[in-house]
Amino acid sequence: DAKTTQPPSMDCAEGRAANLPCNHSTISGNEYVYWYRQIHSQGPQYIIHGLKNNETNEMASLIITEDRKSSTLILPHATLRDTAVYYCIVRVAHFGNEKLTFGTGTRLTIIP
Amino acid sequence: SAVISQKPSRDICQRGTSLTIQCQVDSQVTMMFWYRQQPGQSLTLIATANQGSEATYESGFVIDKFPISRPNLTFSTLTVSNMSPEDSSIYLCSGTGPLGETQYFGPGTRLLVL
Repeated sequence: DAKTTQPPSMDCAEGRAANLPCNHSTISGNEYVYWYRQIHSQGPQYIIHGLKNNETNEMASLIITEDRKSSTLILPHATLRDTAVYYCIVRVAHFGNEKLTFGTGTRLTIIP
Repeated sequence: SAVISQKPSRDICQRGTSLTIQCQVDSQVTMMFWYRQQPGQSLTLIATANQGSEATYESGFVIDKFPISRPNLTFSTLTVSNMSPEDSSIYLCSGTGPLGETQYFGPGTRLLVL
């Protein structure tokens, strides 16, 4: 699976949009971009994933650049409960290759 | 989505002893995994728990130290054997849904070895 690069930490004001970047310049054509987060003292939580089109769900939006070498996770209206470590992971999404390789992630702190 | 529970949620153990962690999923999952998260670190995959057969271990992890069972589609155990203080970590299990696209995690088991 391709390696990802994320900033180690970010702050965001409560109520503002949190934009978390991820670089994955060696991503292959069949690899998806996944985002998980880990709130303190909990197991990781799936947020969203995408291949090349932008995706949106009830939690967040995922913007993937046209060349797919980077992406941004957007939390549109950050709350204090969004304080967590956010992991960007790329992997091939098919049976037999469900393993996740976690990097160091971005520690997002939402400021009141 | 699958709901995954683990028991115990935390434990304090003496070195040289063993601890078995249980993982229960509320619905059938295709794949189950065990991860370790050492203090202040990210998650590291220990092994894939295969139903009815031996687990598949990642580099650096061996069956004698971390025996794993998965007797059915919704249950798995991880044993941390002959523990030392270096085994103090959070141990997490996870499972993938039927399409294999997303992975759901349990809350983790916090282990402290004295």
